[in-house]
Amino acid sequence: KAGVTQTPRYLIKTRGQQVTLSCSPISGHRSVSWYQQTPGQGLQFLFEYFSETQRNKGNFPGRFSGRQFSNSRSEMNVSTLELGDSALYLCASSFDGRSDTQYFGPGTRLTVL
Amino acid sequence: AQKITQTQPGMFVQEKEAVTLDCTYDTSDPSYGLFWYKQPSSGEMIFLIYQGSYDQQNATEGRYSLNFQKARKSANLVISASQLGDSAMYFCAMREGVYYGGSQGNLIFGKGTKLSVKP
Repeated sequence: KAGVTQTPRYLIKTRGQQVTLSCSPISGHRSVSWYQQTPGQGLQFLFEYFSETQRNKGNFPGRFSGRQFSNSRSEMNVSTLELGDSALYLCASSFDGRSDTQYFGPGTRLTVL
Repeated sequence: AQKITQTQPGMFVQEKEAVTLDCTYDTSDPSYGLFWYKQPSSGEMIFLIYQGSYDQQNATEGRYSLNFQKARKSANLVISASQLGDSAMYFCAMREGVYYGGSQGNLIFGKGTKLSVKP
């Protein structure tokens, strides 16, 4: 079974731009969660989608948004990029997102200049 | 207050020796799950092992075992017979409410421990 895939793997943007990251979950998984990883803050939860609905949200500003499609693929969007948005963005999928293990993708490394 | 505490920022271990990575947690929810993930320099988080709060036995997965001491709220990862490929960051994580479907779903991570295996 193919694992979680994320595209692109690397991105360089400038302040003020917006960016869209994509995540394809493991086949059959309906829950997709997004995490931000920085050296200073560690791993922080952004949001979770299940059956095309945002089910849970972390403590991030509204510039961070996401969506999920009917095939469970998910995208996250960051608008008006700031230098502090430079991070590794990890996507994780699981079947129900509540009681089972989350499996992570390789991440997208975003650099904001 | 931190919910997951990993007190060892970095550790060294000799190849083929065993190593224990510490993790303590804080929750008032009796129904929770504890996870360990490995993150090599490539960035991908690799699931290693899971322990549910109601599990009677300590979890084991190959060379990985979890020393679960519920009363002390600790869930230490033990890696036996270390290999050079074990050099990586290791994260302990918790999810609350896993047994009754009340989980928010998200994992709460510790700051991680960087393990270096010496040849």
